[in-house]
Amino acid sequence: QLVLTQSPSASASLGASVKLTCTLSSGHKNNAITWHQQQPEKGPRHLMKVNSDGSHFKGDGIPDRFSGSSSGPERYLTISGVQSEDEADYYCQTWAPGIHVVVFGGGTKLTVL
Amino acid sequence: QVELQESGPGLVRPSQTLPLTCTVSGGSISSGAYYWSWIRQQPGKGLEWIGYIYDSASTAFNPSLKSRATISMDTSRNHFSLKLRSVTAADTAVYYCAAITIFGVLTNWGRGTLVAVSS
Repeated sequence: QLVLTQSPSASASLGASVKLTCTLSSGHKNNAITWHQQQPEKGPRHLMKVNSDGSHFKGDGIPDRFSGSSSGPERYLTISGVQSEDEADYYCQTWAPGIHVVVFGGGTKLTVL
Repeated sequence: QVELQESGPGLVRPSQTLPLTCTVSGGSISSGAYYWSWIRQQPGKGLEWIGYIYDSASTAFNPSLKSRATISMDTSRNHFSLKLRSVTAADTAVYYCAAITIFGVLTNWGRGTLVAVSS
């Protein structure tokens, strides 16, 4: 079964770096995932796609401080130089093409200190 | 750049059918480039995929909602629609439409519309 696991919460001091993790379930370690950001009281927005080889492709207008990487079944979102507006919920999402199923992780709430 | 906008009633009575429409601009829904999707977010909860339509008439659904959901598309109006039957208070949520590329990447979100189920 395709499942994405995220830690419920994370925190980072203003200006510091933070790395959020999304873990793919067994048997799906080669899946690409997509990161989405949901700021308070707003709808989600697409941040980037992260492939199993660590390459990542950001959406239009996504600041340079956001980057993606991979290691085995883990996909990462790194924010370098966290800003106050980065306080948000971050969701990872993937897809099983053979069975046409879309899956979201439970989300990580990032608090900026 | 594809843009999506949801529309529908803000309030639905229990046991009735919830109808939503997503109007697409900046691209044709018959292009074959996207899976046209519905996603919801219950109050205080995470994102839940409902289903999508592709190739004009093929559909796929979250198994937990499959028995109650229907998705259709109207190419003449460049929109697609969701109907969720037999709703309860648990279906109260913000409903989003979204475009997922044929490679499984969700790239475009609508702004969302809040639907409350209440008598």
